[in-house]
Amino acid sequence: AQSVTQLGSHVSVSEGALVLLRCNYSSSVPPYLFWYVQYPNQGLQLLLKYTSAATLVKGINGFEAEFKKSETSFHLTKPSAHMSDAAEYFCAVRAPNSNSGYALNFGKGTSLLVTP
Amino acid sequence: GAGVSQSPSNKVTEKGKDVELRCDPISGHTALYWYRQSLGQGLEFLIYFQGNSAPDKSGLPSDRFSAERTGGSVSTLTIQRTQQEDSAVYLCASRGLAGGLTDTQYFGPGTRLTVL
Repeated sequence: AQSVTQLGSHVSVSEGALVLLRCNYSSSVPPYLFWYVQYPNQGLQLLLKYTSAATLVKGINGFEAEFKKSETSFHLTKPSAHMSDAAEYFCAVRAPNSNSGYALNFGKGTSLLVTP
Repeated sequence: GAGVSQSPSNKVTEKGKDVELRCDPISGHTALYWYRQSLGQGLEFLIYFQGNSAPDKSGLPSDRFSAERTGGSVSTLTIQRTQQEDSAVYLCASRGLAGGLTDTQYFGPGTRLTVL
């Protein structure tokens, strides 16, 4: 079954510091991977997605992620954190089952705190 | 353009009552999903609709949960005889198929359900 594991339910960084949010996947087929962000009381917004093209994926708001098959990882990074980046981040893998419309299997989420 | 909308944004109900949650997908999107976000379980897939085809109900947690989609557009998720463990945020997402299976799922803001 396709699944993702996010390491660290809470991550705290200083404003201007590197953001690194970890995601490892388990998949029996080449995965399609996604990072979503959720701001308080809002729905999920897509940051970026990997669909078997370039392994380094650039997303919105300065975020990027690198697909590493050898490490089964898809970590999310941003060189310099901004206060507005404080939110919940979810890694997801697309289910292989076409019957479910390739629904997403989400990780538990990582809450990012940015301190001044 | 307009995104996915959901109503109500918040719903408080008493144990044993029935509730209906509504989702308006992005116009023209043929695929519609319901997910549940709860503290204990994270984000879980519930049900998937594709056009006028029979839905995939594989994620529904019990027979108290049902959903319909009228005219291939608006969807209603119904929970009968609500229980306290049904308290969660219910998220709806829609997806177009123009780009194939890699198309993004766009999420609504969710309905926060509280069962007293």
